[in-house]
Amino acid sequence: AQSVTQLDSQVPVFEEAPVELRCNYSSSVSVYLFWYVQYPNQGLQLLLKYLSGSTLVKGINGFEAEFNKSQTSFHLRKPSVHISDTAEYFCAVSNFFGNEKLTFGTGTRLTIIP
Amino acid sequence: DTAVSQTPKYLVTQMGNDKSIKCEQNLGHDTMYWYKQDSKKFLKIMFSYNNKELIINETVPNRFSPKSPDKAHLNLHINSLELGDSAVYFCASSRSGAGELFFGEGSRLTVL
Repeated sequence: AQSVTQLDSQVPVFEEAPVELRCNYSSSVSVYLFWYVQYPNQGLQLLLKYLSGSTLVKGINGFEAEFNKSQTSFHLRKPSVHISDTAEYFCAVSNFFGNEKLTFGTGTRLTIIP
Repeated sequence: DTAVSQTPKYLVTQMGNDKSIKCEQNLGHDTMYWYKQDSKKFLKIMFSYNNKELIINETVPNRFSPKSPDKAHLNLHINSLELGDSAVYFCASSRSGAGELFFGEGSRLTVL
């Protein structure tokens, strides 16, 4: 079985400051990792994904994440946040590639303070 | 032109009623899903269909019955609604092996 832990349920950050949202996973086999963003009253949208290759993955809206196998982490980062980044962020893991059964974390609410 | 569309967007109903949510995708994907998001924002997969065939069926009460008439449609019928069924239900689709799900905007179900 696989699981995802997002330790921070809420993260307030000042505008133009950097941010890191933490994600740790557990799985007995190889994993594929994802970050999704959910804006208020909307569905989820893919920010970035790690399938294989380079451990540093770049996504949309200036976000990036680094896959760290030894620490079983996939933290999301952005060097300078904007008001429009206010949203709920979900980390997800799959080890069933081709049958995208994603297991989601409980989400982190990112609030940008003007 | 919406890629994954769900109807209705909001649904308020009484306990014991039966209701359906419909989902359609125009992305040409071969796999569709239903996810449930509870009041704490926790997302959990309920069902997945690949080419109209049920491939994932999590531990969901059998009051929930999905139906896929074709690859582009996946409907969810819920019988004898209970208070605990109140949630946002998300439909999603993917192309097998692509590693990305495309979500609809959700259907917020409130059971009174």
